[in-house]
Amino acid sequence: QQQVKQSPQSLIVQKGGIPIINCAYENTAFDYFPWYQQFPGKGPALLIAIRPDVSEKKEGRFTISFNKSAKQFSLHIMDSQPGDSATYFCAASIESGGSNYKLTFGKGTLLTVNP
Amino acid sequence: KAGVTQTPRYLIKTRGQQVTLSCSPISGHRSVSWYQQTPGQGLQFLFEYFSETQRNKGNFPGRFSGRQFSNSRSEMNVSTLELGDSALYLCASSTPGVTEAFFGQGTRLTVV
Repeated sequence: QQQVKQSPQSLIVQKGGIPIINCAYENTAFDYFPWYQQFPGKGPALLIAIRPDVSEKKEGRFTISFNKSAKQFSLHIMDSQPGDSATYFCAASIESGGSNYKLTFGKGTLLTVNP
Repeated sequence: KAGVTQTPRYLIKTRGQQVTLSCSPISGHRSVSWYQQTPGQGLQFLFEYFSETQRNKGNFPGRFSGRQFSNSRSEMNVSTLELGDSALYLCASSTPGVTEAFFGQGTRLTVV
C-alpha cells in the first residue's frame, strides 16, 4: 500500500518555466511533509518542508502548497533553471518526540529543465 | 561541519554472502535511519536507531539488521544476499528536537 502518491513520474520544462509536482497522502496522522532533491550519485537533500497548520510556504524559488482537506501537497519551482534538473521526492512522517522519524517517500519525479 | 559519511561508496557481492555497511552521522546527531533506494520501489525505510536502541523498523526481512554504537555511528548488515538486494543504501542522521534529516551519499550495493 503506497501511502504517498507522487505525480508526474517525469517532467520536462523550459528554462524559466514553473514545474509543479503533486503528492497525495492517505494517513491523516502525517504531520510533517518535506520535499527532497536528489542529484545523480548523491543522497537526497532537504529542499523545503511544511506542516499542516499552514497552507503555503516559500523558500527562494521553491513553494509548497498544502491542502489538508484534500490530503494533497505540491511543489512549485519558480523561474526554473537547468541546474534544477534532478529527481524530486515528496515525503511524509509523523513527527514525534525525539529526533529522527520514519519518512514515507513518494516514488519521485525526474525533472529536466531545458536551457 | 562534516556531513553524514557512508562507507564504502560502492560494493559488489555475490549471492549468499553477507555485507556490512557503515554510517557516521553528523557530529552531535544521535539518531540514524537507514533507507533502501531502488528504481522500482523508490526509497523505503529500513530502521532507525537512537541512543544505541532500534526505535523503528520497516517492512524488511530479518536478513536486514543494524546496530548503533555509543559514538552514534551505525552499521547495517545484510545476510544471505539476494539479487534483489542490489540497491543504494542511504543513511540519514538528525539531532533531538530537530525534524530535519540529513542524508549521506549512500552505498551502492550490487549483488551478482
